[in-house]
Amino acid sequence: GENVEQHPSTLSVQEGDSAVIKCTYSDSASNYFPWYKQELGKRPQLIIDIRSNVGEKKDQRIAVTLNKTAKHFSLHITETQPEDSAVYFCAAHRDYGGSQGNLIFGKGTKLSVKP
Amino acid sequence: DTAVSQTPKYLVTQMGNDKSIKCEQNLGHDTMYWYKQDSKKFLKIMFSYNNKELIINETVPNRFSPKSPDKAHLNLHINSLELGDSAVYFCASSQDRVYGYTFGSGTRLTVV
Repeated sequence: GENVEQHPSTLSVQEGDSAVIKCTYSDSASNYFPWYKQELGKRPQLIIDIRSNVGEKKDQRIAVTLNKTAKHFSLHITETQPEDSAVYFCAAHRDYGGSQGNLIFGKGTKLSVKP
Repeated sequence: DTAVSQTPKYLVTQMGNDKSIKCEQNLGHDTMYWYKQDSKKFLKIMFSYNNKELIINETVPNRFSPKSPDKAHLNLHINSLELGDSAVYFCASSQDRVYGYTFGSGTRLTVV
């Protein structure tokens, strides 16, 4: 089955610096890769996603890149702000066939942005 | 309007008790899920239901039994609670495979 590895587990940056979180997946059939942000005590929320027919996607200060050949994808946050501090999860879509599947999550990266 | 709502938000109970967590979504999604988030923040799929039918049942003890009375509701019943069941349980829903995956606010279960 699908396995998603995420690095680093913790990341500390200065406000204004960039942050990069990397994930690898094992199932070459996976075709959807979302990123979730979970603030302390709150639910995970989708911040950006990418499908396998796209190599890069950007939304303001966040971007995601996908390398299908190498089976890895990354989240890039530029000009980090203290409110970016949270746990970030990558995920890959595992397809059970038919119309259903479920997301397999990485173990999360705790990002701390120091003012 | 909360898209995916869970009750209760907190649940403290003794070992051996039976408890239920309820989940409702008003997004019109066809698929609902239960995830368990342990103390290390790892999100692990437990169950997936599509239109009231069980699609995915990962390696979860038989003490956990999901029930879906209709496609907008997915409840989780846990029998004979154990200390290791302490975690945050998230309900989620999606339409069209996993796109638009939305989580509920979570239920923090503490077994003492």
